[in-house]
Amino acid sequence: AQTVTQSQPEMSVQEAETVTLSCTYDTSESDYYLFWYKQPPSRQMILVIRQEAYKQQNATENRFSVNFQKAAKSFSLKISDSQLGDAAMYFCAYRRSSYRPGGSQGNLIFGKGTKLSVKP
Amino acid sequence: NAGVTQTPKFRVLKTGQSMTLLCAQDMNHEYMYWYRQDPGMGLRLIHYSVGEGTTAKGEVPDGYNVSRLKKQNFLLGLESAAPSQTSVYFCASRGRAGYGELFFGEGSRLTVL
Repeated sequence: AQTVTQSQPEMSVQEAETVTLSCTYDTSESDYYLFWYKQPPSRQMILVIRQEAYKQQNATENRFSVNFQKAAKSFSLKISDSQLGDAAMYFCAYRRSSYRPGGSQGNLIFGKGTKLSVKP
Repeated sequence: NAGVTQTPKFRVLKTGQSMTLLCAQDMNHEYMYWYRQDPGMGLRLIHYSVGEGTTAKGEVPDGYNVSRLKKQNFLLGLESAAPSQTSVYFCASRGRAGYGELFFGEGSRLTVL
């Protein structure tokens, strides 16, 4: 079974600095998707960034970028120029892309989350 | 622009009571999901549906039932609530195409006394 591990329960960063959140996953699939979701205190789940496994180029979205290491099964999130509004829980998630009869239809599997604090 | 809407947002129940959480999406998505979120546990899948009239068990289905009589609605029921079901519940949906990213509702906080 696929698993997603976020080894840092909590992280802290100074405003305007850079922070990297770690995520590793375990799968025997070769084709899959990876996601980072942000959950601010409002509780709303917000998609931050996504990556397709077959793409070697790391995804970027403004101040957010990933370091995708497929062989190492690692998918870290880098937040540059951290802002107070970045303070939130961050969840890494995995979804296989291939259809499998009787399977779980590619359900999203989440890590346990990393709580990011931003110091002014 | 409603997206995914969950009702109610908050509910307090006594042990043994029943209730239903309603999830409605207006994006014509085929797949719908119910997750629960507990401190330190991330989001765990309760039940899901791949289309109207279909449901399937997720990781933690015990004590819950679901129904999807209409494509846009996915109901989560608790027949006899237990304190262990105190949690925040999230509904999500996705379409078949593309990345299949999930669109989430705002969550429903349920407390069972």
